[in-house]
Amino acid sequence: ETGVTQSPTHLIKTRGQQVTLRCSSQSGHNTVSWYQQALGQGPQFIFQYYREEENGRGNFPPRFSGLQFPNYSSELNVNALELDDSALYLCASSDDRGDTQYFGPGTRLTVL
Amino acid sequence: AQSVSQHNHHVILSEAASLELGCNYSYGGTVNLFWYVQYPGQHLQLLLKYFSGDPLVKGIKGFEAEFIKSKFSFNLRKPSVQWSDTAEYFCAANAPGGYQKVTFGTGTKLQVIP
Repeated sequence: ETGVTQSPTHLIKTRGQQVTLRCSSQSGHNTVSWYQQALGQGPQFIFQYYREEENGRGNFPPRFSGLQFPNYSSELNVNALELDDSALYLCASSDDRGDTQYFGPGTRLTVL
Repeated sequence: AQSVSQHNHHVILSEAASLELGCNYSYGGTVNLFWYVQYPGQHLQLLLKYFSGDPLVKGIKGFEAEFIKSKFSFNLRKPSVQWSDTAEYFCAANAPGGYQKVTFGTGTKLQVIP
């Protein structure tokens, strides 16, 4: 166990809907990164938040957005869901040095 | 562009066989390297990491990896696998400090047959 928690565990949505995924980082960690892991693939970096500000972004469209709160928990929001958004969404936290990221169990999103 | 390649997509071994999983990276400058493992139904766990120093790093559960800078490689090894090592293994890399995006390989599924 890493101390990183995510909710919900599973989620089913329909195309066009919006979804919010949540992550609580490990105690003492102020950096949160989000990844998308499609079936049979490695995780792909979506974005990272450091002390409530976006600190970098991968190759994902603007309909993927996020927030980090003062307690360093985080949300991933996806608007206008598409079928290809079906994936496991992983949250990872790290401390100020940030070189090692610790992953949560993920949220499995299915878009129908 | 930063990239991590894992050439073995699916490996099947008998218990007690030796394991070596290949990983090559393409990164400009200094790089941190990681191996993560994902057991069936569980989350990604860190097996080992290399930042600097001794290029042979030891991790949990008897795994080790060797950083060979001239070959841009960071192969994972274990002398004798067990059935409980059945999992998917991901090689990953990031640049030290600052913005810590981690780039993952596509993963290698290891199946150990009792």
